[in-house]
Amino acid sequence: AAGVIQSPRHLIKEKRETATLKCYPIPRHDTVYWYQQGPGQDPQFLISFYEKMQSDKGSIPDRFSAQQFSDYHSELNMSSLELGDSALYFCASSLRPRVDGYTFGSGTRLTVV
Amino acid sequence: DQQVKQNSPSLSVQEGRISILNCDYTNSMFDYFLWYKKYPAEGPTFLISISSIKDKNEDGRFTVFLNKSAKHLSLHIVPSQPGDSAVYFCAAREANNNDMRFGAGTRLTVKP
Repeated sequence: AAGVIQSPRHLIKEKRETATLKCYPIPRHDTVYWYQQGPGQDPQFLISFYEKMQSDKGSIPDRFSAQQFSDYHSELNMSSLELGDSALYFCASSLRPRVDGYTFGSGTRLTVV
Repeated sequence: DQQVKQNSPSLSVQEGRISILNCDYTNSMFDYFLWYKKYPAEGPTFLISISSIKDKNEDGRFTVFLNKSAKHLSLHIVPSQPGDSAVYFCAAREANNNDMRFGAGTRLTVKP
């Protein structure tokens, strides 16, 4: 069965650079969530989209932005990267918001040097 | 502000025995609770959930218990199998909010 696809799997950027993470939800899933998991920390909710509109906002820094496109894939744009942005970024999808458990992708590991 | 707490970072049990993973929460507005399992290099996998109107939900070897008055839930795995070895995250969310809060996770090791 198709899962949530995230790209790239690994990304290394320098401070002050920008990064774009992509997420392709499970087919027919219309809701996408972004989470950030720092080293030794629990996943923190960043932002979610339902039907291409932002549906909830968590602890997403102002330097980050995200959107969901007409094909329901989502992109997380990160600018002015800081060392503290180094983390595992998970995307999850669901069929409509808050329907049972979310299906997570394998994550993108971002390292800022 | 850690609204969901898993106070045991690790747990080790023998194959065939019961594994009990605990989770406490502070937000009384949480109405839906979930457990996720995570293997290395993979995203969390949804395991089982429970609504606040119930106190127990069972799915095969997995049972989740919810004690609302104590703001406590637990995941029971019986019998435990070596393939259950993973990090288990407890998560919770409010009724009208997509913001799911996770605990820090408990690493379960099931020894053959």
